[in-house]
Amino acid sequence: LAKTTQPISMDSYEGQEVNITCSHNNIATNDYITWYQQFPSQGPRFIIQGYKTKVTNEVASLFIPADRKSSTLSLPRVSLSDTAVYYCLVVINTGGFKTIFGAGTRLFVKA
Amino acid sequence: GAVVSQHPSRVICKSGTSVKIECRSLDFQATTMFWYRQFPKQSLMLMATSNEGSKATYEQGVEKDKFLINHASLTLSTLTVTSAHPEDSSFYICSARGSGGAGTYNEQFFGPGTRLTVL
Repeated sequence: LAKTTQPISMDSYEGQEVNITCSHNNIATNDYITWYQQFPSQGPRFIIQGYKTKVTNEVASLFIPADRKSSTLSLPRVSLSDTAVYYCLVVINTGGFKTIFGAGTRLFVKA
Repeated sequence: GAVVSQHPSRVICKSGTSVKIECRSLDFQATTMFWYRQFPKQSLMLMATSNEGSKATYEQGVEKDKFLINHASLTLSTLTVTSAHPEDSSFYICSARGSGGAGTYNEQFFGPGTRLTVL
């Protein structure tokens, strides 16, 4: 199963751009990369998903290099309410659909 | 996006009793549902995967006789914690994967979670 590695925690200030990089060295051909956000005592919330190159939506961008062994979530201008845990996941789509959570990155946004 | 609900949102029970948690996909049909458990300050741990109408597939180390999962319809899955003990106290989260329609093929939608406290 593809395992993900990301920083345990990050600090930032309001208005800054935050980039969180995740490594997934043994990602398989059919696997997708997905990022979720989780606030305390809530279920994870989908942020963005991609397979390769760059994906952008209204809240974030996802950069995936050609080898797909890593990905970077970019949050353009964070606010205090972006303080949360961010999970990088590889959605395994071979031999059945499965999503395994890694440790996540605790982002703390300061005023 | 698609909505997944869980009921109850929190439950307190006595040791030795059984607790049932419901997970519903409200506006889409969920071919696959997943159950996770999360302890404080830890990540989500996948417990089992269930497809509608078939038996759940449990992850290694998860007791299938203790955590009974039923996925009887395309919109409902239940997790029953049997003979609960204090160590079963945790945050239980379900998620659902759509077959199309409101859900994308590769996207999971998560419920709000259920806080179980066993006294």
